[in-house]
Amino acid sequence: EVQLVESGGGLVQPGRSLRLSCAASGFTFDDYAMHWVRQAPGKGLEWVSGISWNSGYIGYGDSVKGRFTISRDNAKNSLYLQMNGLRAEDTAFYYCAKATGYSSGWYDYWGQGTLVTVSS
Amino acid sequence: SYELTQPPSVSVSPGQTASITCYGDKLGDKHASWYQQKPGQSPVLVIYQHTKRPSGIPERFSGSKSGNTATLTISGTQAMDEADYYCQAWDSSTALFGGGTKLTVL
Repeated sequence: EVQLVESGGGLVQPGRSLRLSCAASGFTFDDYAMHWVRQAPGKGLEWVSGISWNSGYIGYGDSVKGRFTISRDNAKNSLYLQMNGLRAEDTAFYYCAKATGYSSGWYDYWGQGTLVTVSS
Repeated sequence: SYELTQPPSVSVSPGQTASITCYGDKLGDKHASWYQQKPGQSPVLVIYQHTKRPSGIPERFSGSKSGNTATLTISGTQAMDEADYYCQAWDSSTALFGGGTKLTVL
């Protein structure tokens, strides 16, 4: 059974940093691209970042470019999102999603999400 | 910038057919996926590559494409289908989501 379990969310002040993690199991992690997708409370889905199976391709949404960094550790079956310079508008549920391709395909599994709240 | 446009809401009576559209001016050249999200839950894939249904998704869910419009159709809609639905496609290595459609089963 595929499982994606996010962690690391919480309340953080504007300008501070936070690191999210996603622990994957139930599939061959290093065969697949992985992505982060977020959803502000009561709003729609927004792509944040994606990384190919070997970290050779990495991309970011315009709203987080230069502030967020995606990475993965295939030996640990884990995906990460380092978030720096957090803003109030970054407040959202952050979902880890398994993708069938890096810049193509679809998201066949999603985690349960972790809530990041940016507020003073 | 490229956008995917969905109607904010669709209403349907139980047992009837619901159709949710997704328009993008280059969507005809791309593959669309559809996700269902119920309150307090994570999104679930219901259609991929415009028309394919993952295992475990009921046959009443189907997808189609005409020109630059993708359509998610739910036949014999049930109360459990009430949810938000999002279309998704790729543009220049960026994943794009439609704004979402709230399906209400009256």
